[in-house]
Amino acid sequence: DIVMTQSPDSLAVSLGERATINCQSSQSVLYSSNNKNYLAWYQQKPGQPPKLLIYWASTRESGVPDRFSGSGSRTDFTLTISSLQAEDVAVYYCQQYYSTPYTFGQGTKLEIK
Amino acid sequence: EVQLVQSGAEVKKPGESLRISCEGSGYSFTSYWISWVRQMPGKGLEWMGRIDPSDSYSNYSPSFQGHVTISADKSTNTAYLQWSSLKASDTAMYYCARHGVAGKPNYFDFWGQGTPVTVSS
Repeated sequence: DIVMTQSPDSLAVSLGERATINCQSSQSVLYSSNNKNYLAWYQQKPGQPPKLLIYWASTRESGVPDRFSGSGSRTDFTLTISSLQAEDVAVYYCQQYYSTPYTFGQGTKLEIK
Repeated sequence: EVQLVQSGAEVKKPGESLRISCEGSGYSFTSYWISWVRQMPGKGLEWMGRIDPSDSYSNYSPSFQGHVTISADKSTNTAYLQWSSLKASDTAMYYCARHGVAGKPNYFDFWGQGTPVTVSS
């Protein structure tokens, strides 16, 4: 199985400041035939299902604010929120869909400082 | 509008059987795989398995293989997750989720609202 490790486990950021969440996979999730990283990011607010934010490591899902961005390749990835808003308080998960079993990171809890 | 609507909360005893459902609407149900994801209380997300509703081919995470069964009925646009003998450790929220590209393994673009399952004697 591909193990996904996120850091930090929790993060407190002031409103308007940048938040950065890291995700590392135990093996590359870059598929050489199409040069795509099989990595997604989700946001989960309390009492709600997860919501897709980013796929193919850096493609923003339709309707997701442009303050959310994803970067990285192969085994190291980053989710960045450029200017934290109050509604961004949530738990964020990375997920690899390169191979089954699809696996998620343990989650990063983002709070307001 | 794409929607996945799951069945309601369940309270069961250990050893009982259970089937929960996920009805898709607003898209071609047979064109997109459906996965099931477990979230135990206060914990993270775990992929359980997926099904191709067009032919009912399914595969499972080794962690769940043999303990659950995933099925689909394309006549009713519904996917199912079932247990033949529940354990207390099956207490969790269960989500269905649609794969984002037709016929291919990939990210999950739409999620059901979740079905909470409580197993207690």
